[in-house]
Amino acid sequence: NAGVTQTPKFQVLKTGQSMTLQCAQDMNHNSMYWYRQDPGMGLRLIYYSASEGTTDKGEVPNGYNVSRLNKREFSLRLESAAPSQTSVYFCASRKDRTTNEKLFFGSGTQLSVL
Amino acid sequence: DAKTTQPTSMDCAEGRAANLPCNHSTISGNEYVYWYRQIHSQGPQYIIHGLKNNETNEMASLIITEDRKSSTLILPHATLRDTAVYYCIVRGSTGANNLFFGTGTRLTVIP
Repeated sequence: NAGVTQTPKFQVLKTGQSMTLQCAQDMNHNSMYWYRQDPGMGLRLIYYSASEGTTDKGEVPNGYNVSRLNKREFSLRLESAAPSQTSVYFCASRKDRTTNEKLFFGSGTQLSVL
Repeated sequence: DAKTTQPTSMDCAEGRAANLPCNHSTISGNEYVYWYRQIHSQGPQYIIHGLKNNETNEMASLIITEDRKSSTLILPHATLRDTAVYYCIVRGSTGANNLFFGTGTRLTVIP
């Protein structure tokens, strides 16, 4: 049982390049989330998907797009990367957003934009 | 969701109990208190949560004051592997989807 799997673990981009961060969970969870964490800061929510087929903006959505491909997978896309998007990105999932179920996190993707 | 206040950092001797405080004076009746921790640069890990009763699991105990305005996470016998940033979060059972992590308390367990 792998839990939440993120790929890649590390990525370096040049300004203006695009890329997609992949996230998959094998726990049959309905809700999935993308967070970013800047050095010395807490996590900030970028986008979330309460259930398959729905996505909503979080705290810091600008510069990102998401796709809930199916119940298992939730991807985060940077269309034109900027240095301000240098961060560690975490994907998380939860059984159901309306309950007190705990969040399960992936191990993160460290992204550097030069 | 109510905001929380935690000390920036704390030290604890290995083998001793670590008591991590959290203030959430604006908490409302249906909001739960959650604790997560983040070891080094890993993804946060759930520890425990509660509404008004004290809770205990295999990782920790959560003590919530009677007025629910503050709580304490207790790691009964801290080990070096408990060195991490600990986040106290208050979230309602419905409504907002976000868990506001803040900057947490950096706990250092000293040998």
